[in-house]
Amino acid sequence: KAGVTQTPRYLIKTRGQQVTLSCSPISGHRSVSWYQQTPGQGLQFLFEYFSETQRNKGNFPGRFSGRQFSNSRSEMNVSTLELGDSALYLCASRSGTSGGETQYFGPGTRLLVL
Amino acid sequence: GQSLEQPSEVTAVEGAIVQINCTYQTSGFYGLSWYQQHDGGAPTFLSYNALDGLEETGRFSSFLSRSDSYGYLLLQELQMKDSASYFCAVGSGATNKLIFGTGTLLAVQP
Repeated sequence: KAGVTQTPRYLIKTRGQQVTLSCSPISGHRSVSWYQQTPGQGLQFLFEYFSETQRNKGNFPGRFSGRQFSNSRSEMNVSTLELGDSALYLCASRSGTSGGETQYFGPGTRLLVL
Repeated sequence: GQSLEQPSEVTAVEGAIVQINCTYQTSGFYGLSWYQQHDGGAPTFLSYNALDGLEETGRFSSFLSRSDSYGYLLLQELQMKDSASYFCAVGSGATNKLIFGTGTLLAVQP
C-alpha cells in the first residue's frame, strides 16, 4: 500500500495570504488528523476528520480550518497567514476505530511565512 | 491541563542500551505510544502500550505504569541510525487525537 502523501512539500507565502495543504491517506483509512510542528511548541493537534466529519479540534484560531472529501482525502486551510504559522504541517491517517494508537504520518508540508 | 514530559536530550554510544522516560498528566487516557522522527522527516510509529507492562518489538521495548502515569522506551544495541527524536504520545478521547510529549533528541556516538 502507498503511504500517506502530502502536497506540496514546501511552500513560501507572505503574511496575510492564505494557503491550502492537501493530504491523501493510506487507501482504506477513513480518519485523517492534522498536526503542526514547530521548534517552540512541538507537535500540536489541529483537528481530525472521519468520514467527512470533524471529530475533534485543537486549540487553534479559526483561521485554521479543514475538510475531508468522500474519498477520505483531506485539505487544511490557513487564512490571513502570520509569521508564527511557519511550521511543518503533518497529516496522519488511521483506519478509524476508536483509540489513539497507531497513526501513519505523511512527510509533511513545510510552510514558511515571510 | 494535559502534558507529557520527556528529557530533552540523551547521548549514548553504539551498542549500548538507552532508556527514554515519559511522565504524563492527561484527562482521559487511551494508551501510550512512541514515535521516532528523523530530522525533517515524518514521525513513524514504534510501539504502543494500552495496559501496564512491557511490550517488546525487536530492539525496542516500551513500558507503561498507569498508576504512576509513567512510561519509557528502551532501545537496545544502539545503532547510529537510531539518532533521532523520540516522542511519547497519549491518545485522548474516543477519537484519533494524540497529545505529544516534548520530545527527546537521542544522539548515538561511535
